[in-house]
Amino acid sequence: GAGVSQSPSNKVTEKGKDVELRCDPISGHTALYWYRQSLGQGLEFLIYFQGNSAPDKSGLPSDRFSAERTGGSVSTLTIQRTQQEDSAVYLCASRLAGGSGELFFGEGSRLTVL
Amino acid sequence: AQRVTQPEKLLSVFKGAPVELKCNYSYSGSPELFWYVQYSRQRLQLLLRHISRESIKGFTADLNKGETSFHLKKPFAQEEDSAMYYCALSAPGANSKLTFGKGITLSVRP
Repeated sequence: GAGVSQSPSNKVTEKGKDVELRCDPISGHTALYWYRQSLGQGLEFLIYFQGNSAPDKSGLPSDRFSAERTGGSVSTLTIQRTQQEDSAVYLCASRLAGGSGELFFGEGSRLTVL
Repeated sequence: AQRVTQPEKLLSVFKGAPVELKCNYSYSGSPELFWYVQYSRQRLQLLLRHISRESIKGFTADLNKGETSFHLKKPFAQEEDSAMYYCALSAPGANSKLTFGKGITLSVRP
């Protein structure tokens, strides 16, 4: 596709369940980011993948959060034992290595934890 | 540590009025600075970056290293400028994470 694709677009889950959010970046973009967007908190950095380097996980809020990127392309963000405070829009973005620095965002996955 | 502060959450102006969206940053060095915009029901997208020194949709932003600011300005606001605006910072180079501020909602009334 032409842009960053995220799925599901909406996810409603019960507290304590695990969820997986998927991101398919723009082809050829080696850098991939996950952010969390919630009211009053703006865009919180979660994790950053760059090529084959070790990911920057400094933004993950707890050990319930993890992410992987397989084959340098698709990424999955996993939240285990979800809590109500995890409710937010999870945004994925990709960037071309050596490019202008512009991030291209997906439409996001809206997670609601009941 | 790098930090971006957008002190206001909401700015409401009438069409034709000037707009200034404030952004201050904390970074030990020379960062790269950006403004991103999210219109209603659209993806977050780049509006402008400081290294380009460009004007996009009538908006400009000047990097003031002395005041560590990167305020976004437009002399005459239009209704279609209503959106959420985020200021963002990264270390120099392509392999750096982008740190965002909390964003400000701009509402332009007719």
